[in-house]
Amino acid sequence: AQSVTQLGSHVSVSEGALVLLRCNYSSSVPPYLFWYVQYPNQGLQLLLKYTTGATLVKGINGFEAEFKKSETSFHLTKPSAHMSDAAEYFCAVSRPGGKLIFGQGTELSVKP
Amino acid sequence: SQTIHQWPATLVQPVGSPLSLECTVEGTSNPNLYWYRQAAGRGLQLLFYSIGIDQISSEVPQNLSASRPQDRQFILSSKKLLLSDSGFYLCACSSGGSHEKLFFGSGTQLSVL
Repeated sequence: AQSVTQLGSHVSVSEGALVLLRCNYSSSVPPYLFWYVQYPNQGLQLLLKYTTGATLVKGINGFEAEFKKSETSFHLTKPSAHMSDAAEYFCAVSRPGGKLIFGQGTELSVKP
Repeated sequence: SQTIHQWPATLVQPVGSPLSLECTVEGTSNPNLYWYRQAAGRGLQLLFYSIGIDQISSEVPQNLSASRPQDRQFILSSKKLLLSDSGFYLCACSSGGSHEKLFFGSGTQLSVL
């Protein structure tokens, strides 16, 4: 079975500061990993995904994530937070051809 | 690319009343379709998924049901709503035989009072 744990249901950073959202997964097979973002009153959209190949994945809006198999992690980072980054972020895992399993979500607040 | 239409955007219903949420998809054929629920303070929970017309799998036992009368139409229903059915419901689709990249609708905020 697969599962995802997002550490911290709420993260607050200052504008311009580093954003780090943590995600750890459990999977008995090589996983596919995803980060989705949900802006207020909207559906979710894909930020980035890792399937195979390079373990550092770049996504939209300056976000990136690194797959670390030894740590079973897929943390999301952005060097400099912007006010528009305030949203809820979901980490998800699947196996090839399998359904997405989402984490509990992390709400990111950005202070001016 | 796919476009997902989901309505209504908000809904307030009394306990015991019926529910029907509709989702339609444009821009793709034979999509995989999903209903997720996001309860307040919690993550996304997969409720139902469908790989084809009248082919629906339920992920968790609950007070809800789903139907897929047409290839690009997915309906979430209940005969009698419970307070615990309150939440944000999201329809999603994926294509190409893959469950992986999901496209989401804008969601329905359901309040059961």
